[in-house]
Amino acid sequence: EVQLVESGGGLVQPGGSLRLSCVASGFTFSNYWMTWVRQAPGKGLEWVANIKHDGSVKHSVDSVKGRFTISRDNTKNSLYLQMHSLRAEDTAVYYCAGEGENSSGWNRWGQGTLVTVSS
Amino acid sequence: QSVLTQPPSASGTPGQRVTISCSGSSSNIGSKDVYWYQHFPGAAPKLLIYKNDQRPSGVPDRFSGSKSGTSASLAISGLRSEDEADYYCAAWDASLSGWVFGGGTKLTVL
Repeated sequence: EVQLVESGGGLVQPGGSLRLSCVASGFTFSNYWMTWVRQAPGKGLEWVANIKHDGSVKHSVDSVKGRFTISRDNTKNSLYLQMHSLRAEDTAVYYCAGEGENSSGWNRWGQGTLVTVSS
Repeated sequence: QSVLTQPPSASGTPGQRVTISCSGSSSNIGSKDVYWYQHFPGAAPKLLIYKNDQRPSGVPDRFSGSKSGTSASLAISGLRSEDEADYYCAAWDASLSGWVFGGGTKLTVL
């Protein structure tokens, strides 16, 4: 069974840091692009960052550039999102998602982890 | 403001056919594939359509996608109460070098 399990969310003060993790099972993690998508309360889905299967290529949305870093450890089937200088507007449920074969979309999703940035 | 534009809401009665539009530009929909996701509050999003009009295995053929120029559409036929959810289009944007979503369309089954 394919599973993506996120962890690391929680309450953090503005300016603080947090590291999200996503552990994959049930598929060959090292073969696929992986992505972080978030949803702020009452808002729509927003793509945050993605990383190529071997970690050689990364992209991120402008609003998190210089603050968030996506990484992966294929030996641990794990995806990470290191978040620094957190702002209130980063408050959201963060989902990790995996892309299928041949750009067939994000067909694997975790249940999400909530990040709340508040004093 | 989202890069891709969707109507905030749509509705239909059971059995009807509804269409949700997604409008973009030459740097995204006009030159890249469109994807559609279904999202129930509190759950993980689900892939409905990939590469404009392809359905993953397990997605009912009541769901179909199309693309023309810088716009795309998701059609749901034989509407059911369980289709009541939020629907999002997404595409890669070559100018932004990133993925962009539509603002989402909340579908209500009356």
